Amino acid sequence: AQSVTQLGSHVSVSEGALVLLRCNYSSSVPPYLFWYVQYPNQGLQLLLKYTSAATLVKGINGFEAEFKKSETSFHLTKPSAHMSDAAEYFCAINYSGGGADGLTFGKGTHLIIQP
Amino acid sequence: DARVTQTPRHKVTEMGQEVTMRCQPILGHNTVFWYRQTMMQGLELLAYFRNRAPLDDSGMPKDRFSAEMPDATLATLKIQPSEPRDSAVYFCASAPSGANVLTFGAGSRLTVL
Repeated sequence: AQSVTQLGSHVSVSEGALVLLRCNYSSSVPPYLFWYVQYPNQGLQLLLKYTSAATLVKGINGFEAEFKKSETSFHLTKPSAHMSDAAEYFCAINYSGGGADGLTFGKGTHLIIQP
Repeated sequence: DARVTQTPRHKVTEMGQEVTMRCQPILGHNTVFWYRQTMMQGLELLAYFRNRAPLDDSGMPKDRFSAEMPDATLATLKIQPSEPRDSAVYFCASAPSGANVLTFGAGSRLTVL
């Protein structure tokens, strides 16, 4: 079985500060990992995905994530937070070769940006 | 810009009533998912279809929930009878063949009184 754990249900940073959202995974097979963002009253939007190519993945809106097998982590970062980054962020997992068999999501991290 | 369309966006109903939520997947996407989002449980996979055939509905309460794909352009999720604990946001998502990137609709917010 696969799972992801997001550390911290709420993260608060100042505008312009580094954003770090943590995700650790558990999988018995090579995983595919994803970060999605959800703005209020909207569906989930793909930020970036790791599918066993480069371990450092760049996504939209200046976000990036690094796959670290030794730490079973896939943390999401952004060098400088913007007010528009305030949203709910979800880490998700599937497995290589799993095709579109559905993603398993973490509980989500609510990112708060302080002016 | 291709998108997944869900209706209704909001639904308030009384306990015991039937509720039907509809989803139009992106044209050409052959896999359709239903997720439920609540504060307590987060995002839960209820069911999914590939080429209109149900592949997994183990996440769905069988006694009151049913999901179907009458045709390639329509997926439905029905709750009968509805209960207050069904109050949640229900998301539909679709994906093309062999791909594991899901595109989500905006969701249907259900409130059962």
